[in-house]
Amino acid sequence: AAGVIQSPRHLIKEKRETATLKCYPIPRHDTVYWYQQGPGQDPQFLISFYEKMQSDKGSIPDRFSAQQFSDYHSELNMSSLELGDSALYFCASSLVRGLAGGGNEQFFGPGTRLTVL
Amino acid sequence: SQQGEEDPQALSIQEGENATMNCSYKTSINNLQWYRQNSGRGLVHLILIRSNEREKHSGRLRVTLDTSKKSSSLLITASRAADTASYFCATDFRTNSKLTFGKGITLSVRP
Repeated sequence: AAGVIQSPRHLIKEKRETATLKCYPIPRHDTVYWYQQGPGQDPQFLISFYEKMQSDKGSIPDRFSAQQFSDYHSELNMSSLELGDSALYFCASSLVRGLAGGGNEQFFGPGTRLTVL
Repeated sequence: SQQGEEDPQALSIQEGENATMNCSYKTSINNLQWYRQNSGRGLVHLILIRSNEREKHSGRLRVTLDTSKKSSSLLITASRAADTASYFCATDFRTNSKLTFGKGITLSVRP
């Protein structure tokens, strides 16, 4: 079965540079979520999109922005990178449309490991 | 604020034994899910239990949910060395809402 695809898998950037992470959800999934996981930490929610519209926002820095495109893929744009941005960035997708009061299994991609030097 | 807190933080058992991991949360939930993460890799979805369910099974996994105590447990029976990983519980409060993760339990299964 197709899974969530993320690219690149590894990214090394210098401080103050920009980075763009891409996510391709499972086909027919309508919701995309972005999470950040620092070393030894639990994943923290950043932002989500349902049917290409932002649906929820978490602790995402103003330096970060994201969008979901017409083909449902999503991109997380990160500017003015800081050392503390070094983390694993996960994208997850779920199928919400048609569910009534349940579901919401979120399936995660392999993550992008961002290292800021 | 942290929603799910796992207990214990680390667990080491012998292959073939059962492993029980507990998770507590603070607010009302819609669903609770368990994920497995091998070191530095992706999160693998294990099982979802809805707030109106009390127990669910999937292969060697058994999950219970006690909404009155705001707690859940994950039981892995007949553990294998390949079960060595970190396990997270995650909660949501509506169908398409974000997941709030707990701190994770590191399970080591000795061959």
